[in-house]
Amino acid sequence: GAVVSQHPSRVICKSGTSVKIECRSLDFQATTMFWYRQFPKQSLMLMATSNEGSKATYEQGVEKDKFLINHASLTLSTLTVTSAHPEDSSFYICSARDGRREGGTEAFFGQGTRLTVV
Amino acid sequence: DQQVKQNSPSLSVQEGRISILNCDYTNSMFDYFLWYKKYPAEGPTFLISISSIKDKNEDGRFTVFLNKSAKHLSLHIVPSQPGDSAVYFCAASTGGFKTIFGAGTRLFVKA
Repeated sequence: GAVVSQHPSRVICKSGTSVKIECRSLDFQATTMFWYRQFPKQSLMLMATSNEGSKATYEQGVEKDKFLINHASLTLSTLTVTSAHPEDSSFYICSARDGRREGGTEAFFGQGTRLTVV
Repeated sequence: DQQVKQNSPSLSVQEGRISILNCDYTNSMFDYFLWYKKYPAEGPTFLISISSIKDKNEDGRFTVFLNKSAKHLSLHIVPSQPGDSAVYFCAASTGGFKTIFGAGTRLFVKA
């Protein structure tokens, strides 16, 4: 299947600092990228959807000024957690799909990023 | 409002037997359904999918059944293997766009 690379896999940061997470599609063009957050023993919660070259669409309850999403190219999207606080500690996962591809509409996931804010 | 529900948080099955994971949804606009498998600290990996125009899709040991009238789908794994032990997420989307996930079911396959 298609490959999506997410970096870093783990990050520990101090409260009040910002952290950037990158998501790259390595062998296909990602017209759409999704960012999810997963709390322990819970499902993947969709945070936002971004289409290449346009502003991200955030889900209800997700602060767009806190979770900045950039999808400037067809192979790269970034999520920046600004002024991180301990409650932002979580597992963040990106997924990407090529909406122009015929057939299945499955998205491919990155490996996830474990963020710990201390 | 949970649009995709997996009511069983866990399931334990003997190796070689059939595993049946269930999923219910509420949004009749969903037209594409997917199952993902997830190991701890990793991203989900796509397993199998089904379009709303079908009622069954089979891929090797994995078969997904869709009952639109009941808004229910299920994943059958047969025969189950210890390596199948993981968390399985049911997901649904409209037009292949925004994908909503269920809470997941942890499958334990005992040797």
